[in-house]
Amino acid sequence: AQSVTQPDIHITVSEGASLELRCNYSYGATPYLFWYVQSPGQGLQLLLKYFSGDTLVQGIKGFEAEFKRSQSSFNLRKPSVHWSDAAEYFCAVGTSSNTGKLIFGQGTTLQVKP
Amino acid sequence: SAVISQKPSRDICQRGTSLTIQCQVDSQVTMMFWYRQQPGQSLTLIATANQGSEATYESGFVIDKFPISRPNLTFSTLTVSNMSPEDSSIYLCSVEVYGEAFFGQGTRLTVV
Repeated sequence: AQSVTQPDIHITVSEGASLELRCNYSYGATPYLFWYVQSPGQGLQLLLKYFSGDTLVQGIKGFEAEFKRSQSSFNLRKPSVHWSDAAEYFCAVGTSSNTGKLIFGQGTTLQVKP
Repeated sequence: SAVISQKPSRDICQRGTSLTIQCQVDSQVTMMFWYRQQPGQSLTLIATANQGSEATYESGFVIDKFPISRPNLTFSTLTVSNMSPEDSSIYLCSVEVYGEAFFGQGTRLTVV
């Protein structure tokens, strides 16, 4: 069965510091992978997605993620965090036949210190 | 892209009652999805709604508890029936467009 694990429930970083949020997935075939951000009182916004090709994908707001098949990981990174990045981040996996039917990880809450 | 409007945005309901949540999309889509986000938890797919056919429910969710309607390609409703405090959650509508899932703002339901 498909599953997504985000090992870090809560992360605190200082503004300007680099960020890496971890995501591990379990899926038999090539997964379709996504990172979403949910700000307080806001809906979910797609940061980036990986379907195939280059394993390093660029997203919005300066985020990037790297797909590593050997590690079943899809970690999200940002070189310099801004206070406005404080939010809940969700990693999700979908299938090639239905990218609307997603399995989400537990989420990681990012707190940014001034 | 897709713009999704959900109504109501929030509600407080008495246990034993039912609430119907509406989801309107600004374009025609084949499938619509309903998710639940329990307090402090991740999103869990409740069901997939196709126009003209019965919704497909995920394990742990049943039609009697969460009946869904899909009368056309831009609209769907989810009813939370016979509510209990455990149903207090955010319910989100979603659609998939060209490989990307778009979400509504959600309906925050509190059952008292």
